[in-house]
Amino acid sequence: EAQVTQNPRYLITVTGKKLTVTCSQNMNHEYMSWYRQDPGLGLRQIYYSMNVEVTDKGDVPEGYKVSRKEKRNFPLILESPSPNQTSLYFCASRTGWADTQYFGPGTRLTVL
Amino acid sequence: QKEVEQNSGPLSVPEGAIASLNCTYSDRGSQSFFWYRQYSGKSPELIMSIYSNGDKEDGRFTAQLNKASQYVSLLIRDSQPSDSATYLCAGGGNKLVFGAGTILRVKS
Repeated sequence: EAQVTQNPRYLITVTGKKLTVTCSQNMNHEYMSWYRQDPGLGLRQIYYSMNVEVTDKGDVPEGYKVSRKEKRNFPLILESPSPNQTSLYFCASRTGWADTQYFGPGTRLTVL
Repeated sequence: QKEVEQNSGPLSVPEGAIASLNCTYSDRGSQSFFWYRQYSGKSPELIMSIYSNGDKEDGRFTAQLNKASQYVSLLIRDSQPSDSATYLCAGGGNKLVFGAGTILRVKS
């Protein structure tokens, strides 16, 4: 089954404790993105990647890191999480810029 | 900053009516436009994509694009209670920008 998977689905952590949210797709997509979704603000792009080793900042990259060492994986790293990073996070992938973007199931992160 | 604007709603329509959702975008370089539906607590799912001026129809859904006015719309005919959701408009190219979404409520 073609899908984007994210782990963990739910995470409660404390300020400053490094964490990684994994994202993997099995559709051989070139493009992958991370978004955060907050009430009233919609989906805001954190980082995106157009291919292996090619990443670029989205609209809200501060406090986040990404890497794209393999085509299928695009982990999101929070080196020192803060409460304002409490949000619902989505990973997404697509073949090209004009193509359908498929979303993962989401990761609900709470930083205390 | 590139922006996509939507009326947050809620937009309430009776069952069987036409729901009209609208979106404007600021980046004239945007090449692709998408409408996604998102149920509460779920991930967005694609409804329609549109790339050129005019209308595109798919079942009960029609997307309209007017690049001169930087305007995208989605019409839902014969609205059903199951259409009640948040509808997200997105536009761009390599980078996709999403609007904040319009809440649609279809009353039976």
